Amino acid sequence: DIQMTQSPSTLSASVGDRVTITCRASQTISDRLAWYQQKPGKAPKLLIYKASTLESGVPSRFSGSGSGTEFTLTISSLQPDDFANYYCQQHNYYPFTFGPGTKVDIK
Amino acid sequence: QAQLVQSGSELKKPGASVKVSCKASGYDFSRYVINWVRQAPGQGLEWMGRIDTYTGNPTYAQGLTGQFVFSLDSPVSTAYLEISDLKVEDTAVYFCARDDPGATPFDCWGQGTLVTVSS
Repeated sequence: DIQMTQSPSTLSASVGDRVTITCRASQTISDRLAWYQQKPGKAPKLLIYKASTLESGVPSRFSGSGSGTEFTLTISSLQPDDFANYYCQQHNYYPFTFGPGTKVDIK
Repeated sequence: QAQLVQSGSELKKPGASVKVSCKASGYDFSRYVINWVRQAPGQGLEWMGRIDTYTGNPTYAQGLTGQFVFSLDSPVSTAYLEISDLKVEDTAVYFCARDDPGATPFDCWGQGTLVTVSS
């Protein structure tokens, strides 16, 4: 199985900050990397897939980049609604493994 | 718009069974795969497997025991997760999520079903 890692595990930031989360795959997954946002008690929400394609309705302050084994999620200007957990997931090979998550909280 | 609605929370004793439903609406059920994802309390997301809604063929994550069975009732656009011989460590929120193979991953999720196993 492909192992996914994320860094940092926790990120403290302020409204308006630029935030970057990194995700690494244990082997190449081309561009088949998705990012999800999850708030407490809610289902995850797809933000980005195929590394950089923004899901319909997701604000443009979210962007993704990378290919192969290293990927990033960037929030250009953190908004109050963005404090949440973020997970990456490879969608190239079954099982579609998730990263362990990054918690973005208020500084 | 596409929607997945899951059955409500369950409280079960060890050794019992539970069947979680995931009803789809707003799209062609047979066009998308249904995945099952588990989230233990305070933990991350774990992909459990998928069921092809066109063929009915399930795929289980390696290491997932025979406790877990995916099934369909296609005429009512519903997928099921049945868990038998429940253990305390099976306590988790179980999500269903659809994906379009080769295209978009999990773009629509159920709201989650909390299964609590306690004596």
